[in-house]
Amino acid sequence: EAQVTQNPRYLITVTGKKLTVTCSQNMNHEYMSWYRQDPGLGLRQIYYSMNVEVTDKGDVPEGYKVSRKEKRNFPLILESPSPNQTSLYFCASSFQGSQPQHFGDGTRLSIL
Amino acid sequence: KQEVTQIPAALSVPEGENLVLNCSFTDSAIYNLQWFRQDPGKGLTSLLLIQSSQREQTSGRLNASLDKSSGRSTLYIAASQPGDSATYLCAVRRETGGFKTIFGAGTRLFVKA
Repeated sequence: EAQVTQNPRYLITVTGKKLTVTCSQNMNHEYMSWYRQDPGLGLRQIYYSMNVEVTDKGDVPEGYKVSRKEKRNFPLILESPSPNQTSLYFCASSFQGSQPQHFGDGTRLSIL
Repeated sequence: KQEVTQIPAALSVPEGENLVLNCSFTDSAIYNLQWFRQDPGKGLTSLLLIQSSQREQTSGRLNASLDKSSGRSTLYIAASQPGDSATYLCAVRRETGGFKTIFGAGTRLFVKA
């Protein structure tokens, strides 16, 4: 089944403890992206990747890192999480930049 | 800077009604526009994608139109059903800057049985 898989789905952690949210797609998509969704602010793009080893900032990249070493994986790294990064995070992918984006089920992060 | 606005923010209609959701954007230099639905606590489901060179796309009871020059898109839902109740989001992909994506805040739709 074609899908975008995020892990974990839920995480409660503490300020400053490094964490990684994984994203994997099995559709051979070139384009992958991370978003965060906050009440009143909607969905905002954090980082995106056009292909392996090609990444760029979205609108809210501060405090996040990404890497794209393999086509199927696009992890989101929070090196020193802070409470303002508490949010619902979505990973998405598309075959190319011009094609529809397919979203994962989301990861709810709470940083205390 | 691209801004995407969706009106209305919320809408309640009786079952069977035809309805229109609106999405407007400030910069017409877009690559495409995609409509999604999001159910509470769930991810986004892609509904329709319109490329900048297209005028409309249809899927079942859904029809999306795009007027790039005026910065507007509409999502038409025919014969609405309670199962259509969800939040509908539009997202534009910019023509420049590596396919950055900007989302509207969404329209929350409630269809009464």
